[in-house]
Amino acid sequence: GDSVTQMEGPVTLSEEAFLTINCTYTATGYPSLFWYVQYPGEGLQLLLKATKADDKGSNKGFEATYRKETTSFHLEKGSVQVSDSAVYFCALSDLIQGAQKLVFGQGTRLTINP
Amino acid sequence: ETGVTQTPRHLVMGMTNKKSLKCEQHLGHNAMYWYKQSAKKPLELMFVYNFKEQTENNSVPSRFSPECPNSSHLFLHLHTLQPEDSALYLCASSQGTPGGQETQYFGPGTRLLVL
Repeated sequence: GDSVTQMEGPVTLSEEAFLTINCTYTATGYPSLFWYVQYPGEGLQLLLKATKADDKGSNKGFEATYRKETTSFHLEKGSVQVSDSAVYFCALSDLIQGAQKLVFGQGTRLTINP
Repeated sequence: ETGVTQTPRHLVMGMTNKKSLKCEQHLGHNAMYWYKQSAKKPLELMFVYNFKEQTENNSVPSRFSPECPNSSHLFLHLHTLQPEDSALYLCASSQGTPGGQETQYFGPGTRLLVL
């Protein structure tokens, strides 16, 4: 079945450092790819998405490019802030009878120190 | 504000109790979902409803019983749970358009502790 693998956490960085969180997937067909973020005590929020190969999703300084040849969707940000501390989830979508099924990675906890 | 609300936010129950979790979406969506988030495990899809019809039951034990009376409301009825059922239960909704590569919107979750 479809699956998503994220880099193991936790990840700890200093403010203004460069961030990369790796994500690779296995899927039949051509799924959409997502990054969700979960801040402490909250549910998941969509951070960005890409629906086809070579698409780049971006939001709040974060970017990820849908790489079909390497089945990857790595999350990057050039200069992180303390407020970026959260858990980040990579996910792909599959359609089930008209509704969407999301398959998530295990999540990567990010802590940014001032 | 995501437009998806869940109540209660926290729940402690004994193994013999019966309780219900409620989810409400104000986004005009047609699909609703229950997920379970346990420590150190990926988010697990439990149930999917599309236009009030259940389209997915991901091998969930019968002690969890979903109910979707209309497209805006989703319940998860709990009875005779086990301590390993302690987790964060997340509700989500999406447009539900066939073939659509759509976004799911999540509620804040109910943190459940089974004693």
